[in-house]
Amino acid sequence: GEDVEQSLFLSVREGDSSVINCTYTDSSSTYLYWYKQEPGAGLQLLTYIFSNMDMKQDQRLTVLLNKKDKHLSLRIADTQTGDSAIYFCAEFRGKLQFGAGTQVVVTP
Amino acid sequence: EAQVTQNPRYLITVTGKKLTVTCSQNMNHEYMSWYRQDPGLGLRQIYYSMNVEVTDKGDVPEGYKVSRKEKRNFPLILESPSPNQTSLYFCASSPVEGGMEQYFGPGTRLTVT
Repeated sequence: GEDVEQSLFLSVREGDSSVINCTYTDSSSTYLYWYKQEPGAGLQLLTYIFSNMDMKQDQRLTVLLNKKDKHLSLRIADTQTGDSAIYFCAEFRGKLQFGAGTQVVVTP
Repeated sequence: EAQVTQNPRYLITVTGKKLTVTCSQNMNHEYMSWYRQDPGLGLRQIYYSMNVEVTDKGDVPEGYKVSRKEKRNFPLILESPSPNQTSLYFCASSPVEGGMEQYFGPGTRLTVT
């Protein structure tokens, strides 16, 4: 389809790992991004992965890319209450195309 | 501090009353963009600008205008706002041509009654 797709909601217990999934549309997309939006704030770039990579790790964040299935995931290890936010997946194909966002709620 | 600023942060107005939302960045970025965010739809691009005096339509430009007279400023103009323009608006800038790695402002929540 035309859209970048994400599940809309994820609930996770504090200390567990969170996995947010995304499917994108264009196998020729060069960069894929994860943005975080905290309540009342703008989007903050969390991490990105270049299309010739399978995995990127940055502290508690791990990005996995499956180009064959056009599937991108973000894993947050040891999820904290401060990780509660909306997470947007985006692909760059001439311009940024965003998914609808996944609301992550971290419960104690 | 490197940042993108928007004003106002909140605005309630009436149908048909012209308004401008300002956007300014202090990072000397060439690329700037406006988005609107609506529940379940994510962010949709309204207009973007690759450089001074160069602007182009995004995915949802109807009812909006922009200008880019200076590198740092990219105001969004609603000549005759309507209730379907009630939304959360974000300005963004990027050091990279084409708009990768965009830095976002804090958002402007607009309500049109």
